[in-house]
Amino acid sequence: QKEVEQNSGPLSVPEGAIASLNCTYSDRGSQSFFWYRQYSGKSPELIMSIYSNGDKEDGRFTAQLNKASQYVSLLIRDSQPSDSATYLCAVRPNSGYALNFGKGTSLLVTP
Amino acid sequence: DADVTQTPRNRITKTGKRIMLECSQTKGHDRMYWYRQDPGLGLQLIYYSFDVKDINKGEISDGYSVSRQAQAKFSLSLESAIPNQTALYFCATSDQNNYGYTFGSGTRLTVV
Repeated sequence: QKEVEQNSGPLSVPEGAIASLNCTYSDRGSQSFFWYRQYSGKSPELIMSIYSNGDKEDGRFTAQLNKASQYVSLLIRDSQPSDSATYLCAVRPNSGYALNFGKGTSLLVTP
Repeated sequence: DADVTQTPRNRITKTGKRIMLECSQTKGHDRMYWYRQDPGLGLQLIYYSFDVKDINKGEISDGYSVSRQAQAKFSLSLESAIPNQTALYFCATSDQNNYGYTFGSGTRLTVV
């Protein structure tokens, strides 16, 4: 079983702070990593993808990948109440094409 | 119009009934997927298809079947619905490079 693990939360941060969301995965050969945001009752929306070790920045979002530690994270700077959602980590395993998803971390940004 | 359209959006059905959930896409993607989402369990893969002639079982395919009628259409059927199939169902698509999925809006299915 190719596992993707996330802390379910809720992670609560004050408005304007940095939110840090973490994900670990079991398949060492995985090559593609994604972060999705999902509002309650809505479909997941792709916000970041990362394929190589290091940091990738897009606006207020930074994805970080460490393949040696099998760890991927998402940082949200200047968090806003509208960032309150569940964040899903997804990994494409080395031996397949369908994504494996973590159970998601619930983020609450308080005004 | 949405890139990935799922119908119906909501459905209540009785135990033992056959039901079909439909998905169509205008993305031009070859790959299509069906997932179900339950509270606390995340997204679980039911079936996926890489082209019209290619159908693959996912981790929870028992009790489900699929049909890829065309590149743009991928349907999920519950042959005899049972209450533990009550869930939110998502269709998703990706291109051959698999740069992330585009999801449909979901179908909320309740089996009573």
